[in-house]
Amino acid sequence: DQQVKQNSPSLSVQEGRISILNCDYTNSMFDYFLWYKKYPAEGPTFLISISSIKDKNEDGRFTVFLNKSAKHLSLHIVPSQPGDSAVYFCAAKGAQKLVFGQGTRLTINP
Amino acid sequence: DTGVSQNPRHKITKRGQNVTFRCDPISEHNRLYWYRQTLGQGPEFLTYFQNEAQLEKSRLLSDRFSAERPKGSFSTLEIQRTEQGDSAMYLCASSLTLGFEAGELFFGEGSRLTVL
Repeated sequence: DQQVKQNSPSLSVQEGRISILNCDYTNSMFDYFLWYKKYPAEGPTFLISISSIKDKNEDGRFTVFLNKSAKHLSLHIVPSQPGDSAVYFCAAKGAQKLVFGQGTRLTINP
Repeated sequence: DTGVSQNPRHKITKRGQNVTFRCDPISEHNRLYWYRQTLGQGPEFLTYFQNEAQLEKSRLLSDRFSAERPKGSFSTLEIQRTEQGDSAMYLCASSLTLGFEAGELFFGEGSRLTVL
């Protein structure tokens, strides 16, 4: 039972444009949603989060949007930079642990 | 380096052998998590500790797996009688209980296991 899904395994975006990564979830009891970024041979690192009572959180170039009725969240990166190339994991917090999606590999092309 | 440290980084073993991974969390972090990640998948929860108490184990954690955190500091994850399906990256993460209210975990670089 995949409670958190990222349906796009990969995404390619031109440098300077907007990157939009999507995530869907099924469990209404999740209270926080997070995005983690992972470079090869490194562990995931926290990027940005949003409480379930909010619909938007912004941190510099990164904005996360939450649509609770659709059980959908998205991460916007603007403008995209070459250093943003990585695997991005969506995660949801519930019952004292994080549940992760499968990840989306983002490639920023110069 | 004050981050989460995991050892060894890579382990190659033959089927049927036992392996042990160690995780040193960020000091003063009272929560410690183990996750497993296979190719093309996100990290999957295995177990977590609050101080020395193991509070939850996933059904993924078969009886061949055992985790300990004897003094509430470092943790070990042992896999007995390894199988090829155990090949994965084993990730350790830590947090403060209060910090985890917002879900933030600090991950180590992982220990990659290859079972031949």
